[in-house]
Amino acid sequence: GEDVEQSLFLSVREGDSSVINCTYTDSSSTYLYWYKQEPGAGLQLLTYIFSNMDMKQDQRLTVLLNKKDKHLSLRIADTQTGDSAIYFCAESAGGTSYGKLTFGQGTILTVHP
Amino acid sequence: KAGVTQTPRYLIKTRGQQVTLSCSPISGHRSVSWYQQTPGQGLQFLFEYFSETQRNKGNFPGRFSGRQFSNSRSEMNVSTLELGDSALYLCASSRDTEQFFGPGTRLTVL
Repeated sequence: GEDVEQSLFLSVREGDSSVINCTYTDSSSTYLYWYKQEPGAGLQLLTYIFSNMDMKQDQRLTVLLNKKDKHLSLRIADTQTGDSAIYFCAESAGGTSYGKLTFGQGTILTVHP
Repeated sequence: KAGVTQTPRYLIKTRGQQVTLSCSPISGHRSVSWYQQTPGQGLQFLFEYFSETQRNKGNFPGRFSGRQFSNSRSEMNVSTLELGDSALYLCASSRDTEQFFGPGTRLTVL
């Protein structure tokens, strides 16, 4: 079945880079996503990557995908206190299943001044 | 462009009652998905509707149901509420590969 795992906590200093890791088990995963959730809010789509890509960069965000190891990471450069939030990794099988996301349990990122 | 809207934002019900939550997708989006978020179970997929048809379904009991209207707006209904149904219910809409989430409805069951 589908399973997505993330480490629960990450603490960094302001200005450093943050790397959040995620592993998934479903070989048919076609799209992999990163979402951000701030307290009391819904989920904000940060970026996503198609499974035939190795890397995607979007301003301060870099996504790396190792399809062989089923490992996904999100790097946030120059992390700011406003980046403190919960980050979720998610996958979908695409096709008619792109509306069905399987989420990891979330990584709580704390940024210290 | 307006985002996904959900009403109501907060709801308090008692055990045994039923509840209906509403979701208005982004204009032009035909797919609407629903998720339940709890501290214990995390984010779990409930179901997805596309063009008024349920296209995908998660592992929830039949007390949880939904529907989609011709304007793509969607509702979900939970009957015979249990304490464990207390959660944040999130709706997401998509036109293609990207799902955009609403702010959620916080349901408390007493």
